[in-house]
Amino acid sequence: RKEVEQDPGPFNVPEGATVAFNCTYSNSASQSFFWYRQDCRKEPKLLMSVYSSGNEDGRFTAQLNRASQYISLLIRDSKLSDSATYLCVVRFNTGGFKTIFGAGTRLFVKA
Amino acid sequence: DGGITQSPKYLFRKEGQNVTLSCEQNLNHDAMYWYRQDPGQGLRLIYYSQIVNDFQKGDIAEGYSVSREKKESFPLTVTSAQKNPTAFYLCASRADMTGGVDEQFFGPGTRLTVL
Repeated sequence: RKEVEQDPGPFNVPEGATVAFNCTYSNSASQSFFWYRQDCRKEPKLLMSVYSSGNEDGRFTAQLNRASQYISLLIRDSKLSDSATYLCVVRFNTGGFKTIFGAGTRLFVKA
Repeated sequence: DGGITQSPKYLFRKEGQNVTLSCEQNLNHDAMYWYRQDPGQGLRLIYYSQIVNDFQKGDIAEGYSVSREKKESFPLTVTSAQKNPTAFYLCASRADMTGGVDEQFFGPGTRLTVL
């Protein structure tokens, strides 16, 4: 089983739609969680950190469920510019911090 | 402007040749990382360094080497021993040595193709 798993997609949605991605992680000692966005042939950039209480940044909402070991990203009112790959990132401490990147979920928003 | 630079953006190499990828940061970050990304896969850690003159192997270090002689610089050499070197290479840095919740910042990447 992979340490961090994501549905690769692609998710094809019309503009204005709401779309949600989930990411599961296997290490219960995981401590920090992030969503990164990666455009085609570009570097990943931080979209948002994920806090235990859940957090929102404009149209984006991230949630963490420690009991079920998953994090989610919800995008409301999708824009064409949201088309990208979304990477789930988990950091845990096993005698030293380790960061694991998921393979990403591809999103295409169409007019 | 603070950031991370990588050069070159595209690199072509013949089989059997060593090649060095540059990574420079002016963010005053202590930790630096090298990742490899292949299509359909997540980023895989090659090497990382938490302090000058010290570095550790990541998950896929075989066929690669690094140095960290200066805080700002963390070059990666892809040697001829690396069996499948064609990939997108990403360098990253992070400020917090204690492993806190801060993010990693990435350079624009180098796309290496072995001919």
